[in-house]
Amino acid sequence: NAGVMQNPRHLVRRRGQEARLRCSPMKGHSHVYWYRQLPEEGLKFMVYLQKENIIDESGMPKERFSAEFPKEGPSILRIQQVVRGDSAAYFCASSPRGVYEQYFGPGTRLTVT
Amino acid sequence: GENVEQHPSTLSVQEGDSAVIKCTYSDSASNYFPWYKQELGKGPQLIIDIRSNVGEKKDQRIAVTLNKTAKHFSLHITETQPEDSAVYFCAGLNYGGSQGNLIFGKGTKLSVKP
Repeated sequence: NAGVMQNPRHLVRRRGQEARLRCSPMKGHSHVYWYRQLPEEGLKFMVYLQKENIIDESGMPKERFSAEFPKEGPSILRIQQVVRGDSAAYFCASSPRGVYEQYFGPGTRLTVT
Repeated sequence: GENVEQHPSTLSVQEGDSAVIKCTYSDSASNYFPWYKQELGKGPQLIIDIRSNVGEKKDQRIAVTLNKTAKHFSLHITETQPEDSAVYFCAGLNYGGSQGNLIFGKGTKLSVKP
């Protein structure tokens, strides 16, 4: 059973560009969470999705950030008009039963130049 | 909402010794406490978790204890090995959102010296 897949693993964007981060959950998992990790910091919750629905986006900035988990295909975290402060590692986690037993992907390291 | 504090931030032990990492939480309604291990350049790996209806859980060299009265929980690693070197994160469940989400501590960097 393959683990959680994320791509790209590294992404470099110039200020003002768009960043698209993809996450394919483990087989059989319908719950996806996105987190952001800054250097020397813990993980900060951003958004929780189930297939075609955003369940909780209370941790996600209201401007420039959006997320989706379509019926077919991976979950996407989209950051528009990136700024230097968006540079971080972004992790997704999937779960078979909501907040419990979350399994993380390898992350996407976003660098904004 | 939930707040999780983790100590120490760094821990160095000799191979074969035990390591203990402690976390405190603020929300007495929290009922789920996982521990994650993160190696350099990788995603966090779930190593053990505990629900509030039990006081202790073991898995080989790893154990977690929970004190609901004092609102703290601890990770215990016995007979440490160099491959245990990593950053360890604790988390507690925050019910602020519609379904609850995990609030993570800031991590403990464990170094096991051979």
